[in-house]
Amino acid sequence: KAGVTQTPRYLIKTRGQQVTLSCSPISGHRSVSWYQQTPGQGLQFLFEYFSETQRNKGNFPGRFSGRQFSNSRSEMNVSTLELGDSALYLCASSLGASGENEQFFGPGTRLTVL
Amino acid sequence: GEDVEQSLFLSVREGDSSVINCTYTDSSSTYLYWYKQEPGAGLQLLTYIFSNMDMKQDQRLTVLLNKKDKHLSLRIADTQTGDSAIYFCATNRYSGAGSYQLTFGKGTKLSVIP
Repeated sequence: KAGVTQTPRYLIKTRGQQVTLSCSPISGHRSVSWYQQTPGQGLQFLFEYFSETQRNKGNFPGRFSGRQFSNSRSEMNVSTLELGDSALYLCASSLGASGENEQFFGPGTRLTVL
Repeated sequence: GEDVEQSLFLSVREGDSSVINCTYTDSSSTYLYWYKQEPGAGLQLLTYIFSNMDMKQDQRLTVLLNKKDKHLSLRIADTQTGDSAIYFCATNRYSGAGSYQLTFGKGTKLSVIP
């Protein structure tokens, strides 16, 4: 079974631009969660999607948004990029709702904002 | 204080046992996890324990849970250089409406000295 895949793996953007990151969960998994990882703040939960619905949301501004498609693939979007958005963005998939099911992480997308 | 706390660094000699400690605040957590992250990679689930258990053993890994003190530990027996990585403790925190989200500690960087 293929693992969680994330594209692109690396991305360089400038302040004010927007970016879209993609996550393909493990086949059969219906839940996708997104996390931001920075050296200062560690791993912070962004949001979770389950069956195309946002089920849970972390404490991030509205510039961070996401969606999930009917095949469970998910995208997250960050608009009006700021320097502080530079981070590793990790996606995790699970069979059912996260927190009660084992989560499998992708390798992440490393976003650098200049 | 933080919801999940871990010491930031641990250094051990190859062949010794490593013990990584974690404290958490949310008594509603039903699952507690240990993840491993190697440089440039995503998170790999090592093991988890249900909140109604106090110990779980899986090959070289032993997880101990003291629910009264909200203390979780991961013991790695016969530590090898390949165990050098960052280890994250995580809990599933209830966020309302039947939904949970993972809350991570900042990670403990384990260095194994040959």
